Amino acid sequence: DIQMTQSPSTLSASVGDRVTITCRASQNVNDWVAWYQQKPGKTPKLLIYDASNLESGVPSRFSGSGSGTEFTLTISSLQPDDFATYYCQQYNSYSHTFGQGTKVENK
Amino acid sequence: EVQLVQSGAEVKKPGESLKISCTVSGYSFTTYWIGWVRQMPGKGLEWMGIIYPGDSDTRYSPSFEGQVTISADKSINTAYLQWSSLRASDTAMYYCARPRGTTDYFDSWGQGTLVTVSS
Repeated sequence: DIQMTQSPSTLSASVGDRVTITCRASQNVNDWVAWYQQKPGKTPKLLIYDASNLESGVPSRFSGSGSGTEFTLTISSLQPDDFATYYCQQYNSYSHTFGQGTKVENK
Repeated sequence: EVQLVQSGAEVKKPGESLKISCTVSGYSFTTYWIGWVRQMPGKGLEWMGIIYPGDSDTRYSPSFEGQVTISADKSINTAYLQWSSLRASDTAMYYCARPRGTTDYFDSWGQGTLVTVSS
C-alpha cells in the first residue's frame, strides 16, 4: 500500500496567516492527489483534485501543488471558516490511501 | 442532483453480523464506482474499498480485505458494506462516496452511518 504522510499533524494559525500543509507519498503517485476539508460532525469536502485543480465553488485562497511524491495544500489567507482538519488522498494505485490528517486550529 | 443516502445508526454486540447500505439517486448507478471510507472515533479517514455496480468488480484495501464485504444491488441502486462477525474495533463512522470519474477522488458523499459495537 502507498503511504501518505502529512505534516504537520496540528497547525496553530491566526486569521490572515498563510498556511501550508505537506503530504509525502511513499512512492510516485504522479498527479493523482486530492485534498479534502472536514469539520467536526460533517462529511469531508473536496477542495483540490489532480494535485492542483480547484474544485468548483471552493474559494481561490486554496491551492494545491506538487507531483510525484511531494504535495502541498496552501491557504493564502486563513479565514475563520477554514479551521478544520485537512486530508490528502492518493488515487494512483489499485488501493487508494488517505493521509492521517492535519488539524488547523486557532492560535 | 447526486444523492447518497445511508442507512441509520446501528448498535451491535461483538460477534454479530451487520449490513449497512448506501442508496443513490441522481445518476446512473451502474456507470460509476462507489466506495466506502471508515473514520474511527477521533481519527482520520481510511479508504476501505470500492465497487463498480455495473459488473460488481470490487477492490479492497489490504487493511480491510477479508474483514468486510462490499456488494451492490443494481435493481435498487444500493451499495452495501457487510460484516460477518463484528468486533469492538469496528466501532466507527462509515461513509459511502462516489468518485467523479473512474476510481479517483470522491466528489459526492453519503451522510455517514455510525456503527457502535459494544457488549
